[in-house]
Amino acid sequence: EVQLVESGGGLVQPGRSLRLSCAASGFTFDDYAMHWVRQAPGKGLEWVSGISWNSGNTGYADSVKGRFTISRDNAKNFLYLQMNSLRAEDTALYYCARDLGYSYGQGWDYWGQGTLVTVSS
Amino acid sequence: QTVVTQEPSLTVSPGGTVTLTCASNTGAVTSGYYPNWFQQKPGQAPRALIYSTSNKHSWTPARFSGSLLGGKAALTLSGVQPEDEAEYYCLLYYGGAYVFGTGTKVTVL
Repeated sequence: EVQLVESGGGLVQPGRSLRLSCAASGFTFDDYAMHWVRQAPGKGLEWVSGISWNSGNTGYADSVKGRFTISRDNAKNFLYLQMNSLRAEDTALYYCARDLGYSYGQGWDYWGQGTLVTVSS
Repeated sequence: QTVVTQEPSLTVSPGGTVTLTCASNTGAVTSGYYPNWFQQKPGQAPRALIYSTSNKHSWTPARFSGSLLGGKAALTLSGVQPEDEAEYYCLLYYGGAYVFGTGTKVTVL
């Protein structure tokens, strides 16, 4: 059974940093690209970042470019999101999701349950 | 800035048919945008329904179908069930980046 479990969320002050993790199980992790998506309270979905199977290709939404860094550890089956210079508008539930292939393209299938990040003083 | 627009809300009767659309402000949506559709119910994570315009996942009910319609991506629900009441989001691929649609709230009444 494919499982994606996010962790690392919490309350953080503006300007500080936080690292999110996504533990993957039930599939061969390095066969798939992965993504982070966020959803602010009461709002829609926003793609944040994606990474190909071997970390050779990464992408970011303009809203987080230069502040967030996506990475993965295929030996440990983990996806990460390093979030720096956090702002109030980064407050959201952060999901990880699995792509259908090695790199971006066709679509996504499985999602985790999310981890909540609250940026407030 | 790329904006992907969906109908804010649609209402459908049980057993009826409803079509949701997904438009890009950059022009016509084609198969090259690999349209995906997701369903989200309150308090739950999104669930994938359709990928690459019209392909269903193994768990996608047969009553859901995807297509291209008049320069937009479309999701059609046929024989709507009460449990289909949810928010639906499309997702488009812009060559290295993705943009979600604004979402459509489907009410079954």
